[in-house]
Amino acid sequence: DAMVIQNPRYQVTQFGKPVTLSCSQTLNHNVMYWYQQKSSQAPKLLFHYYDKDFNNEADTPDNFQSRRPNTSFCFLDIRSPGLGDAAMYLCATSRQGSYNEQFFGPGTRLTVL
Amino acid sequence: DAKTTQPNSMESNEEEPVHLPCNHSTISGTDYIHWYRQLPSQGPEYVIHGLTSNVNNRMASLAIAEDRKSSTLILHRATLRDAAVYYCSRTSGNTPLVFGKGTRLSVIA
Repeated sequence: DAMVIQNPRYQVTQFGKPVTLSCSQTLNHNVMYWYQQKSSQAPKLLFHYYDKDFNNEADTPDNFQSRRPNTSFCFLDIRSPGLGDAAMYLCATSRQGSYNEQFFGPGTRLTVL
Repeated sequence: DAKTTQPNSMESNEEEPVHLPCNHSTISGTDYIHWYRQLPSQGPEYVIHGLTSNVNNRMASLAIAEDRKSSTLILHRATLRDAAVYYCSRTSGNTPLVFGKGTRLSVIA
């Protein structure tokens, strides 16, 4: 089945230790998104790609970076995780156009010790 | 800013219809209205979307007010598996989905 895959599902890192979360898709969608969701809150958009065109939300901390080496893969790099970065990180994909459905992965739960 | 307003929570009895409201009073003519839901411990999933006309699919119906300033997601027969947070959003052009606070729906057996 075509889908959005996130690895790992659970990630533990230490305060200040860089961590990378990965997302892959078999849907061949040109748009990919990263959201951060903290406990009991709605998902918050961090950034998104239209193909290789990167779009950063204005309030996304500089600590968060992203890479998209090809259509299928997208990475979220957190350079120096703080305790406040502990959250669920959700990857999503869609075709371009606001009327198109977004498909979400199951998320990666990040714990910062 | 999702630019939508929803009640924090709602409750429904199993097998009864549920009407989930959303206010989007500043909506523009090209904004689509989207509904997603998030089941416990899962990523959000698409429910339905529309522009002007009411929409039906296998999951739900979307009723859009004539002035488009509000919409209602209708679950025709709520089941326990419909217990989730329901998010209403609006997008246009290439604007990505931005989630508001959503409505937590509880379904009582």
